[in-house]
Amino acid sequence: QVQLVESGGGVVQPGKSLRLSCAASGFSFSTYGMFWVRQAPGKGPEWVAFVSPDEMIKYHTDSVEGRFTISRDDSKSTLYLQMNSLRTEDTAVYFCARDRLESLRFPSHYYDFWGQGTLVTVSA
Amino acid sequence: EIVLTQSPATLSLSPGERATLSCRASESVTRNLAWYQQKPGQAPKLVIYDASKRATGIPARFSGSGSGTEFTLTISSLEPEDFAVYYCQQRSNWRCSFGRGTKLEIK
Repeated sequence: QVQLVESGGGVVQPGKSLRLSCAASGFSFSTYGMFWVRQAPGKGPEWVAFVSPDEMIKYHTDSVEGRFTISRDDSKSTLYLQMNSLRTEDTAVYFCARDRLESLRFPSHYYDFWGQGTLVTVSA
Repeated sequence: EIVLTQSPATLSLSPGERATLSCRASESVTRNLAWYQQKPGQAPKLVIYDASKRATGIPARFSGSGSGTEFTLTISSLEPEDFAVYYCQQRSNWRCSFGRGTKLEIK
């Protein structure tokens, strides 16, 4: 069955960096677009970043553009999120999620499988 | 950015009753809208996509309708496991956004 397992969260000071990982199993990881979605305490989810199956297309939401970078290693079936210059407003549970469609260029932007999430707390 | 407004914020109903949740978009998203269910401590779960298509494994008591700026999620007869927070999400461009959610609680 499809499994997504995030890791790498923790408590970090403002301005510091973290790298999140998401280990995928149970499906053909290399043929799906993947996302990072975050959810601040008591808030709705917020899309953070997308990477296409061939890594040719990457999108980041405006609030993290230039600070966060999504990437993937298909040989390890793993998705990454490098987070630099962290801010207190980046505090959230970070989920990795799979696109509903197996598409190289046209993701559905609907998320059909999610990991359990990893908590990132940015605090002095 | 397209803003999604969900109403009501909280809906109190009993098992067996019908639930109607609303989502309004600040501009047209045609039918590019999904609904997710989230229970405490869990990730969201895709329920409806493209406004009215049920995701894999979702029971027939869940239905979605609407287009443009007005959307509805209906649960025809509530089961105990349906009580959760529901979020709508638009994907009309790659800048996806979510609503703030409707909490469906047991009366």
